[in-house]
Amino acid sequence: GAGVSQSPSNKVTEKGKDVELRCDPISGHTALYWYRQSLGQGLEFLIYFQGNSAPDKSGLPSDRFSAERTGGSVSTLTIQRTQQEDSAVYLCASSLGGHYSYEQYFGPGTRLTVT
Amino acid sequence: DAKTTQPPSMDCAEGRAANLPCNHSTISGNEYVYWYRQIHSQGPQYIIHGLKNNETNEMASLIITEDRKSSTLILPHATLRDTAVYYCIVRVAHSGGSNYKLTFGKGTLLTVNP
Repeated sequence: GAGVSQSPSNKVTEKGKDVELRCDPISGHTALYWYRQSLGQGLEFLIYFQGNSAPDKSGLPSDRFSAERTGGSVSTLTIQRTQQEDSAVYLCASSLGGHYSYEQYFGPGTRLTVT
Repeated sequence: DAKTTQPPSMDCAEGRAANLPCNHSTISGNEYVYWYRQIHSQGPQYIIHGLKNNETNEMASLIITEDRKSSTLILPHATLRDTAVYYCIVRVAHSGGSNYKLTFGKGTLLTVNP
């Protein structure tokens, strides 16, 4: 079946511009996660959506970052007034919830470059 | 969470079995062993997980010792595309708290050679 898809695959933007990253999770997966990964670094958790519950935004690095998940499916991560330190690969993952929360299926990522 | 120890790198010949070890001597009774991998320039990929019984799926087999203090991920017929960093993680598999935040240690870089 279809896996997690993300768009765009690459995004180059100028410092100060806003960007929107999109994630389409696996159909039926109630949990959706955003992470980012800087070059050669580990995963950095950003935000978690589970069903209709309030999202866990504890990983968002600043108030320039926000995310929403519409209709329990597609999610958009928005970064306002981008900075060079925002350059990274932004990864989206989805899973069944509860007991299966640690079986996460990742998309290919969006490589964001802020110039 | 129990700490895991993996060798930093391993080599394997194409077509041979790749056996990746992981030590988790402080594992608790309700903690599962999960394996992920990350191929260069791709997102992480879930492979398999287990509690105490050996597990097998289309990607790999997971062998957990009887005392659960170590495990081995087996790729039965490694291909060049299996070259990746492999991560062993020990976590409790239930909802609640922030149990869903996936974090990787340093992992094992498996290089499959032609």
